[in-house]
Amino acid sequence: GAGVSQSPSNKVTEKGKDVELRCDPISGHTALYWYRQSLGQGLEFLIYFQGNSAPDKSGLPSDRFSAERTGGSVSTLTIQRTQQEDSAVYLCASSLHPGTNGANVLTFGAGSRLTVL
Amino acid sequence: RKEVEQDPGPFNVPEGATVAFNCTYSNSASQSFFWYRQDCRKEPKLLMSVYSSGNEDGRFTAQLNRASQYISLLIRDSKLSDSATYLCVVPNSGGYQKVTFGIGTKLQVIP
Repeated sequence: GAGVSQSPSNKVTEKGKDVELRCDPISGHTALYWYRQSLGQGLEFLIYFQGNSAPDKSGLPSDRFSAERTGGSVSTLTIQRTQQEDSAVYLCASSLHPGTNGANVLTFGAGSRLTVL
Repeated sequence: RKEVEQDPGPFNVPEGATVAFNCTYSNSASQSFFWYRQDCRKEPKLLMSVYSSGNEDGRFTAQLNRASQYISLLIRDSKLSDSATYLCVVPNSGGYQKVTFGIGTKLQVIP
């Protein structure tokens, strides 16, 4: 597509429920990133996918968080047993293949705003 | 030193003023740098890339100082529409695409 698409745009859930957030990157972008941004805070790196390589999961805050990327395109971020501190905007971004001019430029989706009650 | 450090502000400036933000980084091997702009409750968007020779786009000028390991963003003739948070972005060490975002500097242009 023309841009990075994320869904849902807003999600309200109860503490303890599982949630899935979806990201559809720009066509042809091989790199995909998930970030989290809490209210008034900076961007917190969660996970990075590049093609078929093993993802960099170093930013995932706990084992309740997981992400997958099927077929090198769409990615799903799953949060199990949500807690109130998980409330944040979850931003997905994509970029071109490493070594390509502009490969370090990230294009973000509009984000998924998660509220855990 | 943190990977990327920015003064969070806020910087409150009158319309027409010139304002500058700095961003310091720790990875001396970093080659490419970026400024992103984030409007309230919106996603970050690329504003400018920062080249070794500096980069100018209209009222915006970005500079790189490798010796002191900082990049700067200068905004001339500030407009109300420039009010936003400006994020500094630096590639991580390790040679792949992971980048680190600064916390951002908030700019408020006042009428």
